[in-house]
Amino acid sequence: EVQLVESGGGLVKPGGSLRLSCAASGFTFSNYTMNWVRQAPGRGLEWVSSISSTSTYIYYADSLKGRFTISRDNAKNSLYLQMDSLRAEDTAVYYCARDLATMIIVIDDAFDIWGQGTVVTVSS
Amino acid sequence: QSVLTQPPSVSEAPGQRVTISCTGSSSNIGAGYDVHWYQQLPGTAPKLLIYGNFIRPSGVPDRFSGSKSGTSASLAITGLQAEDEADYYCQSFDSRLSGSVVFGGGTKLTVL
Repeated sequence: EVQLVESGGGLVKPGGSLRLSCAASGFTFSNYTMNWVRQAPGRGLEWVSSISSTSTYIYYADSLKGRFTISRDNAKNSLYLQMDSLRAEDTAVYYCARDLATMIIVIDDAFDIWGQGTVVTVSS
Repeated sequence: QSVLTQPPSVSEAPGQRVTISCTGSSSNIGAGYDVHWYQQLPGTAPKLLIYGNFIRPSGVPDRFSGSKSGTSASLAITGLQAEDEADYYCQSFDSRLSGSVVFGGGTKLTVL
């Protein structure tokens, strides 16, 4: 079964850090661009970051202003999101999602597989 | 404020047809980038409903259809069922922003 499972969420104080993980299974992880998308309570979806299959291309939402770092370990079938200098407005469910296309980079690709999400709460 | 504009809510009776619009600009939908649609049931992760403007993934009923014209796209749902009650999001790419995937603000569909 194709599956993505996020972990690492929790309660953190403003200014703190957190590292999210996403474990992939059931498909050849190293063939796909991967993404992080977040959803604040009661709000819509917000794209956070994308990383190509070999980590050559990495993109972030402008609003993050360098506070987040995406990475992956293809040997471990895992995607990561290092979040630093966290703010209250970063409180959200964080989803990892897989690009639909395999073996190529499609800048306007759809996300066909999503994890169940991990909750990040930034509060003092 | 989202780069792609969707109506906050729509409602219709069971068995009827409803459409959800997604309005963009010349830097995203109007530039030729594909539009995709997601369904998010309460408390669950988004599910891909339509990709490449009008293509349904395997398992998605043909009651769901997508279209695109100019700087806008639409999702149509026919034969509305109670289980269609969910939030729907459009997604595309915007060339003004570095590597930027963009989502619409979402539309809450209520089946009366």
